[in-house]
Amino acid sequence: EVQLLESGGGLVQPGGSLRLSCAASGFTFSSYAMSWVRQAPGKGLEWVSAISGSGGSTYYADSVKGRFTISRDNSKNTLYLQMNSLRAEDTAVYYCAKGGGLRFLEWFSWAYWGQGTLVTVSS
Amino acid sequence: DIQMTQSPSSLSASVGDRVTITCQASQDISNYLNWYQQKPGKAPKLLIYDASNLETGVPSRFSGSGSGTDFTFTISSLQPEDIATYYCQQYDNLPPAFGQGTKLEIK
Repeated sequence: EVQLLESGGGLVQPGGSLRLSCAASGFTFSSYAMSWVRQAPGKGLEWVSAISGSGGSTYYADSVKGRFTISRDNSKNTLYLQMNSLRAEDTAVYYCAKGGGLRFLEWFSWAYWGQGTLVTVSS
Repeated sequence: DIQMTQSPSSLSASVGDRVTITCQASQDISNYLNWYQQKPGKAPKLLIYDASNLETGVPSRFSGSGSGTDFTFTISSLQPEDIATYYCQQYDNLPPAFGQGTKLEIK
């Protein structure tokens, strides 16, 4: 059974940093691209970032480019999102999601999601 | 970037009704279109992938159709447990993008 468990959310001041983790199990982690998708309170879904199975390719939404860094440790079956220079508009529940297949476009089709972790950016 | 326009933004229907949600892409996305269901406080759940394929374990009352720029999501007979917000999502081009969501309520 595929399981994704996020952690690391919390309250942080504007300009601060936070690192999210997503522990994966139930599948061959290194074979699949992974993404972070966020949802601001009462709002819709927004893709944030993706990383290939090997970790060699990364992709970012313009809204976080230069501030967030996605990475993974395949030996630990864990995905990360390092968030720097946080802004109030980054306040959201952050979900990790498993890519759907091995073809590039399938990386952005998500059948498995974690339960989410809440990040609140406020002074 | 591709924009996804979903309508309506909210919908009230009775149990047993046929419910239809539409999603329009700002450019041709072939059939690279998913539909998700999200209940309050929960992660999204994939219902339909590649515009018309039912995800394993999803009830057959859910269906999807369309290609190119115009897509439709249908619940053939609304059940109380279908109360949720529904999102379309394109993955033909980066960045992947969601529609703004359709909140479905029971009348």
